[in-house]
Parts: sequence; C-alpha cells; structure tokens
Amino acid sequence: QVQLQESGPGLVKPSQTLSLTCTVSGGSISSGGYYWSWIRQLPGKGLEWIGYIYYRGSTYYNPSLKSRVTISVDTSKNQFSLKLSSVTAADTAVYYCARDLGGWGDFEYWGQGTLVIVSS
Amino acid sequence: QSALTQPASVSGSPGQSSTISCTGSSSDVGGYNYVSWYQQHPGKAPKLMIYDVTNRPSGVSNRFSGSKSGNTASLTISGLQAEDEADYFCSSYTSSSTLVFGEGTRLTVL
Repeated sequence: QVQLQESGPGLVKPSQTLSLTCTVSGGSISSGGYYWSWIRQLPGKGLEWIGYIYYRGSTYYNPSLKSRVTISVDTSKNQFSLKLSSVTAADTAVYYCARDLGGWGDFEYWGQGTLVIVSS
Repeated sequence: QSALTQPASVSGSPGQSSTISCTGSSSDVGGYNYVSWYQQHPGKAPKLMIYDVTNRPSGVSNRFSGSKSGNTASLTISGLQAEDEADYFCSSYTSSSTLVFGEGTRLTVL
C-alpha cells in the first residue's frame, strides 16, 4: 500500500519561501507512469492544483502560481518537494501531496495534509 | 485558469439519489475524458471516487457513478447513506496540460 507523508515548517513568515517534502513509502517514486503532485486547500475553500513532477524530472505548474513554484524529486530518498517563494497570508492553506495515476488528475493516493500558516 | 463550476450544496434523503454537476468548457471538461470526482470528509484528505469520467477505483461503492455531456460532468450517488454526507470536488485535465478543480459541493443527507 502506497503511503505519502508531508513534512515541513507549519509557520512561514511573509515574503519567505515555503518548503515542504513528501516522503513516499510502499512503492518506488521511480515507478514509471506516475505524476507526483502538490495540491492545496485554502481555509474553508476548495482544492487548488499547484503542480506535479514526473519521476524523470519534467514538471507542470498551475499558471497562477508558476512564477513562484518549484517542484523537485529525489529518487534516492523516495521524496519529492515543493518550494513556494514570496509567500503572503493568501498562501495559508493545508498542503497535500498526492500520486496521480497518469497525469490526468486521477489522484489515487494522498498524504494526510499539513497546515502551513503564513504570518509574522 | 478558472475553477470548474459546481453547486454550493445539494441534499437528499436516505435511500434517494443525488446528482452533482461540474461545468467547465471545451478546453477542459468538454475536451477530454479526464474528469475525476473526490469525496472529502471534514479534516480528512480527499478520496478518489470516480476517474476518467465513469471509472470507479477498486473499493468504491457502485452507488457512485459518473457521466458527462458536453462541457458538464455529473456525479450521481444512489441509495444515499448518512456516510455519504461530505464535500465533493470534480477535477479535469485542461488543454494547457494542467489540472483544474471544481469549487466543491456540500452534500447533506437529510
């Protein structure tokens, strides 16, 4: 059974960079065909797709966040990471990592989510 | 990219059926058979209920079904049960090789 677990600071100051890591267990991140994704949920709001990375390194980002987002993968550690720069209070959200079956939005496995608050 | 349009809330009585719509455009919902539906209970991560418009992952009840007509996809839940009360989100692949979610619908089982 594949499991994902987010980790990282729960509090980030405005203008700084939010950094989160997703550790994958129960399966190799190098297994072909999967897209490793970040999704967030603003308080009391809907879901917002941030972007995803294929294990070989190709990335796809939400156009509204593209200028501030970097997603990377470390196959040796079976992890992938999110960096979101120049954060503001509007970036306060629960951040989820998830595995997309084929890049079409079939998020079959999710982490439990981690709340990141942007505040001074 | 704009969020897909869903009704804010729907309701139904136990045993009845309820349908949630998800409206996009020809650049997303209407252009691809890559619409998924997620169920989310409070404080929990979303759960995949339907993928590729009509397919159910293993373990998901056959009371959940999906369909699509033009730019609108729909999730139908038959034989409503108390445990079905949750938020439901749709998602779609887009012509920009990105993904977009719906605004979300709160299903209340009366």
